[in-house]
Amino acid sequence: ILNVEQSPQSLHVQEGDSTNFTCSFPSSNFYALHWYRWETAKSPEALFVMTLNGDEKKKGRISATLNTKEGYSYLYIKGSQPEDSATYLCAFCAHSGGGADGLTFGKGTHLIIQP
Amino acid sequence: EAQVTQNPRYLITVTGKKLTVTCSQNMNHEYMSWYRQDPGLGLRQIYYSMNVEVTDKGDVPEGYKVSRKEKRNFPLILESPSPNQTSLYFCASSLFGTGAGEQYFGPGTRLTVT
Repeated sequence: ILNVEQSPQSLHVQEGDSTNFTCSFPSSNFYALHWYRWETAKSPEALFVMTLNGDEKKKGRISATLNTKEGYSYLYIKGSQPEDSATYLCAFCAHSGGGADGLTFGKGTHLIIQP
Repeated sequence: EAQVTQNPRYLITVTGKKLTVTCSQNMNHEYMSWYRQDPGLGLRQIYYSMNVEVTDKGDVPEGYKVSRKEKRNFPLILESPSPNQTSLYFCASSLFGTGAGEQYFGPGTRLTVT
């Protein structure tokens, strides 16, 4: 079983502040790194899928970077809003044979935005 | 509406009574997958399927079976459920037949085995 670590486990942020958190994954056999947003009582929703070292993706106030050589990705949220409160999951996909393996998820960072 | 559906959404059953949780997607996706979510453990992949008739074990396949006879359906079968299979189960699909496609998750099935 692959080791995908997310830190911190939980985070309280004041509305309007910017924040970031980390996903660490194996630096070998990299295929893809996913980020998902998971609100309470809902299903996870995809934010980004990154496949290239140095990838940077952006969706509104949320962005992500990827370093496959050292095995980490950062998720940034600029100007946090109460609706950003959710658990943010990353998932690592490794190379396997002629293609890709399954997805291994981290345990998530639980973000709470305080008004 | 593009979606992944799961049935049932809630199920309480007894140890040893075979059950099937259905999963269906209407997006013509190649890749489908089953996960279980347990407190403190996060989402763990049970089985995945790259395409029709192609299935592979994920991280926690013991006690589960799957089949992919049609592209749109990917049922999860528990032949003899046990209490340690009490969990929240998610089915997901993605366009590409690899792990590089973003996953679309179903609404979840909460299973209790007594």
